[in-house]
Amino acid sequence: QVQLQESGPGLVKPSQTLSLTCTVSGGSISGGTYYWSWIRQPAGKGLEWIGRIYTSGSTNYNPSLKSRVTISVDTSKNQFSLKLSSVTAADTAVYYCARDSGSYLYGGWFDPWGQGSLVTVSS
Amino acid sequence: EIVLTQSPGTLSLSPGERATLSCRASQSVSSSYLAWYQQKPGQPPRLLIYGASSRATGIPDRFSGSGSGTDFTLTISRLEPEDFAVYYCQQYGSSSSYTFGQGTKLEIK
Repeated sequence: QVQLQESGPGLVKPSQTLSLTCTVSGGSISGGTYYWSWIRQPAGKGLEWIGRIYTSGSTNYNPSLKSRVTISVDTSKNQFSLKLSSVTAADTAVYYCARDSGSYLYGGWFDPWGQGSLVTVSS
Repeated sequence: EIVLTQSPGTLSLSPGERATLSCRASQSVSSSYLAWYQQKPGQPPRLLIYGASSRATGIPDRFSGSGSGTDFTLTISRLEPEDFAVYYCQQYGSSSSYTFGQGTKLEIK
Protein backbone atom coordinates (compact mmCIF):
# COMPACT_ATOMS: atom_id res chain seq x y z
CA GLN A 1 0.00 0.00 0.00
CA VAL A 2 1.04 3.62 -0.47
CA GLN A 3 3.27 5.06 2.23
CA LEU A 4 4.52 8.62 2.66
CA GLN A 5 7.64 9.85 4.43
CA GLU A 6 8.61 13.44 5.19
CA SER A 7 12.25 14.56 5.24
CA GLY A 8 14.09 17.81 5.76
CA PRO A 9 15.87 19.98 8.33
CA GLY A 10 14.48 19.88 11.84
CA LEU A 11 15.73 23.38 12.69
CA VAL A 12 15.24 26.55 10.67
CA LYS A 13 16.30 30.06 11.61
CA PRO A 14 13.74 32.88 11.77
CA SER A 15 13.20 34.71 8.45
CA GLN A 16 14.62 31.78 6.50
CA THR A 17 12.79 29.27 4.29
CA LEU A 18 11.51 25.94 5.58
CA SER A 19 11.91 23.13 3.06
CA LEU A 20 10.46 19.64 3.32
CA THR A 21 10.09 16.74 0.91
CA CYS A 22 7.57 13.94 0.95
CA THR A 23 8.56 10.67 -0.69
CA VAL A 24 5.78 8.38 -1.85
CA SER A 25 6.44 4.64 -1.88
CA GLY A 26 4.35 1.60 -2.71
CA GLY A 27 2.76 3.29 -5.71
CA SER A 28 3.25 6.00 -8.30
CA ILE A 29 2.54 9.58 -7.33
CA SER A 30 1.00 9.88 -10.78
CA GLY A 31 -1.19 6.82 -10.33
CA GLY A 32 -4.86 7.61 -10.02
CA THR A 33 -6.40 11.05 -9.74
CA TYR A 34 -5.06 12.05 -6.35
CA TYR A 35 -3.86 15.36 -5.06
CA TRP A 36 -1.04 15.53 -2.52
CA SER A 37 -1.30 17.80 0.52
CA TRP A 38 0.71 19.29 3.35
CA ILE A 39 -0.82 19.76 6.81
CA ARG A 40 0.81 21.02 9.99
CA GLN A 41 0.18 20.75 13.72
CA PRO A 42 1.82 22.90 16.42
CA ALA A 43 2.59 21.00 19.59
CA GLY A 44 -0.57 20.35 21.59
CA LYS A 45 -2.75 22.11 19.05
CA GLY A 46 -5.00 21.32 16.11
CA LEU A 47 -4.44 20.67 12.43
CA GLU A 48 -3.98 23.29 9.71
CA TRP A 49 -4.06 22.53 5.98
CA ILE A 50 -1.23 24.26 4.12
CA GLY A 51 -1.86 23.39 0.49
CA ARG A 52 -2.04 20.71 -2.17
CA ILE A 53 -0.67 19.82 -5.58
CA TYR A 54 -1.72 17.64 -8.50
CA THR A 55 0.86 15.84 -10.58
CA SER A 56 0.22 18.32 -13.41
CA GLY A 57 1.64 20.98 -11.09
CA SER A 58 -1.71 22.60 -10.33
CA THR A 59 -1.80 23.91 -6.76
CA ASN A 60 -4.20 25.26 -4.14
CA TYR A 61 -3.04 27.01 -0.99
CA ASN A 62 -4.53 28.00 2.33
CA PRO A 63 -5.34 31.70 1.88
CA SER A 64 -3.76 32.51 5.25
CA LEU A 65 -0.38 31.12 4.12
CA LYS A 66 -0.57 31.64 0.36
CA SER A 67 1.93 34.50 0.19
CA ARG A 68 4.65 32.37 1.78
CA VAL A 69 3.98 28.84 0.44
CA THR A 70 5.23 27.00 -2.62
CA ILE A 71 4.42 23.35 -3.25
CA SER A 72 6.08 21.51 -6.13
CA VAL A 73 6.16 17.96 -7.47
CA ASP A 74 8.85 15.77 -9.02
CA THR A 75 7.12 12.78 -10.58
CA SER A 76 10.44 11.22 -11.66
CA LYS A 77 11.42 10.91 -7.99
CA ASN A 78 7.88 10.19 -6.72
CA GLN A 79 8.17 13.20 -4.44
CA PHE A 80 6.45 16.46 -3.68
CA SER A 81 7.88 19.33 -1.68
CA LEU A 82 6.95 22.25 0.54
CA LYS A 83 8.69 25.60 0.87
CA LEU A 84 7.53 28.11 3.47
CA SER A 85 9.35 31.42 3.43
CA SER A 86 9.97 34.08 6.08
CA VAL A 87 9.34 31.69 8.94
CA THR A 88 8.79 32.74 12.55
CA ALA A 89 8.42 30.82 15.79
CA ALA A 90 4.71 30.51 14.99
CA ASP A 91 5.64 28.14 12.15
CA THR A 92 7.13 25.62 14.60
CA ALA A 93 5.07 22.47 14.15
CA VAL A 94 4.95 18.87 13.04
CA TYR A 95 4.51 18.92 9.27
CA TYR A 96 2.61 16.06 7.67
CA CYS A 97 2.23 15.08 4.05
CA ALA A 98 -0.83 13.15 2.97
CA ARG A 99 -2.62 11.80 -0.05
CA ASP A 100 -5.65 13.93 -0.85
CA SER A 101 -8.72 12.39 -2.47
CA GLY A 102 -9.97 15.72 -3.81
CA SER A 103 -10.82 16.79 -7.33
CA TYR A 104 -10.34 19.96 -9.33
CA LEU A 105 -13.48 21.52 -7.92
CA TYR A 106 -13.62 20.01 -4.47
CA GLY A 107 -11.30 19.10 -1.69
CA GLY A 108 -10.88 15.65 -0.29
CA TRP A 109 -10.08 13.61 2.73
CA PHE A 110 -6.54 12.69 3.72
CA ASP A 111 -5.41 9.08 3.67
CA PRO A 112 -2.74 7.90 4.20
CA TRP A 113 -0.54 10.30 6.14
CA GLY A 114 3.19 10.41 6.65
CA GLN A 115 4.56 10.02 10.16
CA GLY A 116 5.30 13.73 10.41
CA SER A 117 8.43 15.86 10.62
CA LEU A 118 9.03 18.24 13.51
CA VAL A 119 10.36 21.59 12.37
CA THR A 120 11.49 24.09 14.97
CA VAL A 121 12.04 27.73 14.09
CA SER A 122 14.72 29.14 16.36
CA SER A 123 17.96 31.05 16.15
CA GLU B 1 -13.85 30.09 5.39
CA ILE B 2 -16.01 27.46 7.07
CA VAL B 3 -15.28 27.27 10.80
CA LEU B 4 -15.84 23.89 12.46
CA THR B 5 -16.63 23.79 16.17
CA GLN B 6 -16.35 20.47 17.95
CA SER B 7 -18.02 19.63 21.23
CA PRO B 8 -17.42 18.72 23.90
CA GLY B 9 -13.77 19.69 24.24
CA THR B 10 -13.18 16.69 26.47
CA LEU B 11 -15.40 13.64 26.92
CA SER B 12 -14.82 11.31 29.86
CA LEU B 13 -16.31 7.85 29.45
CA SER B 14 -15.65 4.24 30.41
CA PRO B 15 -14.92 1.28 28.12
CA GLY B 16 -18.15 -0.24 26.89
CA GLU B 17 -20.02 3.07 26.92
CA ARG B 18 -21.33 4.94 23.88
CA ALA B 19 -19.55 8.10 22.72
CA THR B 20 -21.22 10.89 20.76
CA LEU B 21 -18.99 13.62 19.34
CA SER B 22 -20.35 16.71 17.63
CA CYS B 23 -18.99 18.89 14.81
CA ARG B 24 -20.90 22.04 13.88
CA ALA B 25 -20.07 24.13 10.81
CA SER B 26 -20.45 27.91 10.51
CA GLN B 27 -22.14 27.39 7.13
CA SER B 28 -23.48 24.44 5.21
CA VAL B 29 -20.88 21.87 4.13
CA SER B 30 -21.26 21.02 0.43
CA SER B 31 -22.54 17.53 -0.30
CA SER B 32 -21.65 16.35 3.19
CA TYR B 33 -17.97 16.68 2.40
CA LEU B 34 -16.93 15.98 5.98
CA ALA B 35 -14.37 13.57 7.40
CA TRP B 36 -13.43 12.35 10.87
CA TYR B 37 -9.97 11.40 12.09
CA GLN B 38 -8.57 9.74 15.20
CA GLN B 39 -5.17 10.80 16.53
CA LYS B 40 -3.14 9.14 19.27
CA PRO B 41 -0.07 10.73 20.89
CA GLY B 42 2.98 10.74 18.64
CA GLN B 43 1.02 9.42 15.65
CA PRO B 44 -0.46 11.02 12.55
CA PRO B 45 -4.23 11.30 12.28
CA ARG B 46 -6.02 8.21 11.00
CA LEU B 47 -9.00 8.52 8.67
CA LEU B 48 -12.17 7.05 10.16
CA ILE B 49 -15.08 8.49 8.18
CA TYR B 50 -15.45 10.39 4.88
CA GLY B 51 -18.50 11.75 3.10
CA ALA B 52 -20.00 12.24 6.56
CA SER B 53 -21.00 8.57 6.91
CA SER B 54 -18.72 6.25 4.91
CA ARG B 55 -16.26 4.22 6.94
CA ALA B 56 -12.68 4.13 5.71
CA THR B 57 -11.04 0.81 4.90
CA GLY B 58 -10.36 -1.28 7.98
CA ILE B 59 -12.34 0.85 10.41
CA PRO B 60 -14.47 -1.18 12.83
CA ASP B 61 -18.22 -0.87 12.50
CA ARG B 62 -18.55 0.49 16.03
CA PHE B 63 -17.56 3.81 14.43
CA SER B 64 -20.33 5.59 12.56
CA GLY B 65 -20.84 9.06 11.16
CA SER B 66 -24.01 10.97 10.46
CA GLY B 67 -25.32 14.43 9.71
CA SER B 68 -25.62 16.95 6.92
CA GLY B 69 -25.66 20.68 6.36
CA THR B 70 -24.09 22.21 9.44
CA ASP B 71 -24.42 19.44 12.06
CA PHE B 72 -22.41 16.25 12.04
CA THR B 73 -21.89 13.47 14.59
CA LEU B 74 -19.33 10.73 15.15
CA THR B 75 -20.66 7.87 17.26
CA ILE B 76 -18.61 5.09 18.81
CA SER B 77 -21.14 2.47 19.86
CA ARG B 78 -19.14 0.60 22.49
CA LEU B 79 -15.81 2.07 23.51
CA GLU B 80 -12.75 -0.14 23.40
CA PRO B 81 -9.58 0.79 25.35
CA GLU B 82 -7.82 1.70 22.08
CA ASP B 83 -10.51 4.26 21.19
CA PHE B 84 -9.35 6.81 23.75
CA ALA B 85 -7.69 9.50 21.66
CA VAL B 86 -8.31 12.91 20.10
CA TYR B 87 -10.86 13.15 17.30
CA TYR B 88 -10.95 15.80 14.58
CA CYS B 89 -13.53 16.65 11.96
CA GLN B 90 -12.52 18.18 8.62
CA GLN B 91 -14.57 19.78 5.86
CA TYR B 92 -13.45 19.64 2.24
CA GLY B 93 -16.24 21.30 0.33
CA SER B 94 -13.91 23.72 -1.41
CA SER B 95 -10.71 22.94 -3.30
CA SER B 96 -9.05 26.02 -1.86
CA SER B 97 -10.11 25.93 1.77
CA TYR B 98 -10.01 22.85 3.92
CA THR B 99 -10.60 23.36 7.61
CA PHE B 100 -10.43 21.20 10.72
CA GLY B 101 -12.27 21.38 14.00
CA GLN B 102 -10.26 22.03 17.14
CA GLY B 103 -10.63 18.43 18.32
CA THR B 104 -12.41 16.45 21.03
CA LYS B 105 -10.33 14.54 23.54
CA LEU B 106 -11.93 11.25 24.52
CA GLU B 107 -10.48 10.19 27.85
CA ILE B 108 -10.99 7.25 30.17
CA LYS B 109 -13.23 8.02 33.11
